Amino acid sequence: DAKTTQPPSMDCAEGRAANLPCNHSTISGNEYVYWYRQIHSQGPQYIIHGLKNNETNEMASLIITEDRKSSTLILPHATLRDTAVYYCIVRVIGAAGNKLTFGGGTRVLVKP
Amino acid sequence: NAGVMQNPRHLVRRRGQEARLRCSPMKGHSHVYWYRQLPEEGLKFMVYLQKENIIDESGMPKERFSAEFPKEGPSILRIQQVVRGDSAAYFCASSPGIDRPRSENTIYFGEGSWLTVV
Repeated sequence: DAKTTQPPSMDCAEGRAANLPCNHSTISGNEYVYWYRQIHSQGPQYIIHGLKNNETNEMASLIITEDRKSSTLILPHATLRDTAVYYCIVRVIGAAGNKLTFGGGTRVLVKP
Repeated sequence: NAGVMQNPRHLVRRRGQEARLRCSPMKGHSHVYWYRQLPEEGLKFMVYLQKENIIDESGMPKERFSAEFPKEGPSILRIQQVVRGDSAAYFCASSPGIDRPRSENTIYFGEGSWLTVV
C-alpha cells in the first residue's frame, strides 16, 4: 500500500472547521483513501473513504485532488469530542491486500 | 449497530500464563483482522483471517502467538507464556468479503481488549 504523510499535530478552535491534510503521492489507481480516528483508549473509528470523487457524510467531508496525490479531511464544526488522532490510510481492496496500515497520524486538539 | 465485539475488555495475566482474546465480527462480515497497540505507540497489524484460513500473518510474532477464525464461533487470538512486553491493547476489526462492492468494503474496529501482564 502507498504511504501517507500527515502533520504530527494541529490545534483547532471549537466550532470552527478543521482541515486535516494528507499527502499520498505514490497512490495507485486502485487504492482508496480512508480516514479513521482514535479517541484516547478507544478503538479506531471509521470516518470516511473515497476513490477519486469528493465524499461527504454525517461526520466529515473528504476532498481528493484531481491527481489523487493528496486529500483533505474536513470536520465542519469541530467539538471538544473530536480531539483524537486522525489517520489517513490508502488501501487496496482485493484478495492480496485489504488490511489497513496505520502511520503516525495527526494528533488533533480541539480547544474551547 | 451490532458492531465488532471483543472480550474480555480487560485481562490480567501473570507471566507464563496464557491469554485468549475473542472477537465476534459484525454481522455479515467474513474477514477478521487483529492489531496490537503498545502503550504510547501506534497500531500495528498482526494477522488477517478469513473463515478457517489465515490470509496474512506477516505481523504476527514468530513464537507464542497464534490466531484462528473457525467456521463457527468467534476469532481467537492466543498468546502463550505471556511476558510483560505483551501488555498492550489488542484490537480486532472486521470487513465484508471481497465479493462485496469495493466501495462498501469498509473495515470496522472493536473497542479492544487490554492485556496486562504482571
